[in-house]
Amino acid sequence: DLVMTQSPLSLPVTLGQPASISCRPSQRLVSRDENTYVSWFQQRPGQSPRRLIYRVSNRDSGVPDRFSGSGSGTDFTLKISRVEAEDIGIYYCMRGGILPPLFGQGTKLEIK
Amino acid sequence: EVQLLASGGDLMQPGGSLRLSCAASGFTFTTYAMTWARQTPENGLEWVAAISGAGDRTYYADSVKGRFTISRDNSKNTQSLQMNSLTVEDTGVYYCAMWREGSHDYFDYWGQGTLVTVSS
Repeated sequence: DLVMTQSPLSLPVTLGQPASISCRPSQRLVSRDENTYVSWFQQRPGQSPRRLIYRVSNRDSGVPDRFSGSGSGTDFTLKISRVEAEDIGIYYCMRGGILPPLFGQGTKLEIK
Repeated sequence: EVQLLASGGDLMQPGGSLRLSCAASGFTFTTYAMTWARQTPENGLEWVAAISGAGDRTYYADSVKGRFTISRDNSKNTQSLQMNSLTVEDTGVYYCAMWREGSHDYFDYWGQGTLVTVSS
């Protein structure tokens, strides 16, 4: 079975500095329409998840451009160019494209 | 503004039944598939079930198949999750969410969650 593995699980960062989260599917992602359905979600403390990125690198409406997604094959990355206080929370990657959607275990972004 | 308001969470005993509801507003309801996902300390985020915009197709995670039933009422802009034969593993925060019909990106928007606790 496919597993989405995130690293690190905890990421202490300094405000204004960059941050990077990795997501590695246990097998290469394939879909019938040749799109790669990897999304990233942010969950701030006490809030519901919110999608930031879909199909590897497409930012959702209203998402600041300091967030970017990249990757292919079995190696995907979410990058925050300069961390702000409002970015604190847990970040999840997800494999879409086919049901069931599969989530990574989450990466907790916290301030040093 | 899109709103998804989930309700119905409660403290239940194993083997019991519970019905969750989600009231939607701010978008054209029938053009979106509706879904439930849950969050547990053990398993993190887990998709539970989904239903097409017309309500004619339903999909379930293996862990709930045969026990949970998803439905929707397009005249009232609501969706529901009937949960039967509850186990302690069903404990978690249940989120109502949605994605555009036909999209494979999933989870365009999440509503707030409702807590289900199954314990003897």
